[in-house]
Amino acid sequence: DTGVSQDPRHKITKRGQNVTFRCDPISEHNRLYWYRQTLGQGPEFLTYFQNEAQLEKSRLLSDRFSAERPKGSFSTLEIQRTEQGDSAMYLCASSLEQGKNYGYTFGSGTRLTVV
Amino acid sequence: AQSVSQHNHHVILSEAASLELGCNYSYGGTVNLFWYVQYPGQHLQLLLKYFSGDPLVKGIKGFEAEFIKSKFSFNLRKPSVQWSDTAEYFCAVKSNFGNEKLTFGTGTRLTIIP
Repeated sequence: DTGVSQDPRHKITKRGQNVTFRCDPISEHNRLYWYRQTLGQGPEFLTYFQNEAQLEKSRLLSDRFSAERPKGSFSTLEIQRTEQGDSAMYLCASSLEQGKNYGYTFGSGTRLTVV
Repeated sequence: AQSVSQHNHHVILSEAASLELGCNYSYGGTVNLFWYVQYPGQHLQLLLKYFSGDPLVKGIKGFEAEFIKSKFSFNLRKPSVQWSDTAEYFCAVKSNFGNEKLTFGTGTRLTIIP
């Protein structure tokens, strides 16, 4: 499978715990994005990497959230001291730089439930 | 800041009916426009996209969308729907300059009755 992979698919955690999600983009894609989707809403942008550089962060990304993309390959999203409001689907997407074939490819997401 | 409105939250149609889902965006500059579909239990998939040129864009599975700049709209159409089109449909906009984020609408849930 050459799509975007996310791990784990589901995560249940207790409030206050830290969680980390992983995203493996399509190998030739140099851009990687994190989005969050809550029930009844469209995905909301969190952050974006070009290669290993984090170029844009949303105001939604509080200081409890941190994302990394070492070596410009896979990425991790960590949430510290989780809160119930963090419960959502966390989506990863990747793309090539803009061109005729530009378009995000999304992964299946990691569903986080904070209890 | 850009925003997207999808006024139809839930649309129910019979098979073979024609479909039009509304999408309006708010942004003063040049935009790129997208429709994504999410089938039950699956990830978001790109249906079609508009970058420039012909405002009538054809996508996969018989879908098309028309960009009407004067109306800030990018409505999705299909002349004859199938049961397998049951899914959630998201319109998204990206500005052509500066930031890379996609701004999504809240989605339209489409239910096709056999």
